[in-house]
Amino acid sequence: NAGVTQTPKFQVLKTGQSMTLQCAQDMNHNSMYWYRQDPGMGLRLIYYSASEGTTDKGEVPNGYNVSRLNKREFSLRLESAAPSQTSVYFCASSHRDRGLGEAFFGQGTRLTVV
Amino acid sequence: AQTVTQSQPEMSVQEAETVTLSCTYDTSESNYYLFWYKQPPSRQMILVIRQEAYKQQNATENRFSVNFQKAAKSFSLKISDSQLGDTAMYFCAFILRGFGNEKLTFGTGTRLTIIP
Repeated sequence: NAGVTQTPKFQVLKTGQSMTLQCAQDMNHNSMYWYRQDPGMGLRLIYYSASEGTTDKGEVPNGYNVSRLNKREFSLRLESAAPSQTSVYFCASSHRDRGLGEAFFGQGTRLTVV
Repeated sequence: AQTVTQSQPEMSVQEAETVTLSCTYDTSESNYYLFWYKQPPSRQMILVIRQEAYKQQNATENRFSVNFQKAAKSFSLKISDSQLGDTAMYFCAFILRGFGNEKLTFGTGTRLTIIP
């Protein structure tokens, strides 16, 4: 009963380094999301994938790339990390065609860029 | 683009009292869902309650209920008999249905503190 698994939980990067945040869901959901959470800003959508092979920009996509490898996995890549990308990142998934749109979330990744 | 507004950054209430959190949203569509999520200090996002726009009846889940005013585009959350475990960030969220490219949009959140 894993739900949405997100790794790592914590990460410290130096400015200019790259990294990939991994996300996998085992609920056969179509839709997957990446959000960032900053104090006073709520959850802001970075990228969205409605199905395998498709991705769409959200509100704050600059500095990020994503890959929907298959139906289960949706990764977020920072090519050249900047201090402004210090944040808590959440992956989420939901059923587009069934259910009531509820999104299930991973545990979050606290990323610090120094 | 759809927007969600939560105008109360912080609220506090005595234990056992009732508190109402406000949320407004903006859309020109008629088929959508609304949600309230709770985020305790553990950081986990937990669904509290959902409302389908085509249903006139307000959703209720135990001590949690909503006041859904579709014409006013308002979706407030009422917590009755508040408990210490209700202390958390609360986020209002919105998603369109039926377009194939729905995006779940969140408000900025309300930090709720229950005072013993």
